[in-house]
Amino acid sequence: QSVLTQPPSASGTPGQRVTISCSGSSSNIGSNTVNWYHQLPGTAPKLLIYSNNQRPSGVPDRFSGSKSGTSASLAISGLQSEDEADYYCAAWDDSLNGRGVFGGGTKLTVL
Amino acid sequence: EVQLLESGGGLVQPGGSLRLSCAASGFTFSSYVMTWVRQAPGKGLEWVSAISNSGTRIYYADSAKGRFTISRDNSKNTLYLQMSSLRAEDTAVYYCARDSLGSYWGQGTLVTVSS
Repeated sequence: QSVLTQPPSASGTPGQRVTISCSGSSSNIGSNTVNWYHQLPGTAPKLLIYSNNQRPSGVPDRFSGSKSGTSASLAISGLQSEDEADYYCAAWDDSLNGRGVFGGGTKLTVL
Repeated sequence: EVQLLESGGGLVQPGGSLRLSCAASGFTFSSYVMTWVRQAPGKGLEWVSAISNSGTRIYYADSAKGRFTISRDNSKNTLYLQMSSLRAEDTAVYYCARDSLGSYWGQGTLVTVSS
């Protein structure tokens, strides 16, 4: 059972806009920033969004992040076949002397 | 270019020990928090442990407390994870990452705990 809650799956057709939610609590998302990662099979995760809504260099602006209260969302617009991957949210959690927490991951399928 | 290269994984029997290493390059290692994250086969990411840039502050997931020890040698630009009392459920790919949640990640090293 992950501390952050994500839907296990999401899907969309090429060109569509999809969103993935991430729900937490006051000790993590409610008081700290959120990162998003994507992971292709057999590869290491890659940072997609940091500090709720910032894109690292090289990440297309089709990817955007937002946060409100104890929830966060990742939006992907202009969906492409290469976006099919697993997506994870993460945040620092201030409970239990501090720890990192991840969502359970969302498998995005491009139909 | 930031590079993180994990090593030390392998097959170990239940109850055994293993030490993972992560060699860092391409950035000022001593300036950054470093983290270990693992991923069991077919499962999601699990944050394991983090250590401050100076090594004075250390954080563990409940699953690692009392069994795993994170450390670093800033003179060698290397991060370590000493794992003991290993269980089957510790079987995973272990990733080294920069920052408390991971801005850059290594390619991972597989740890298999089995008799």
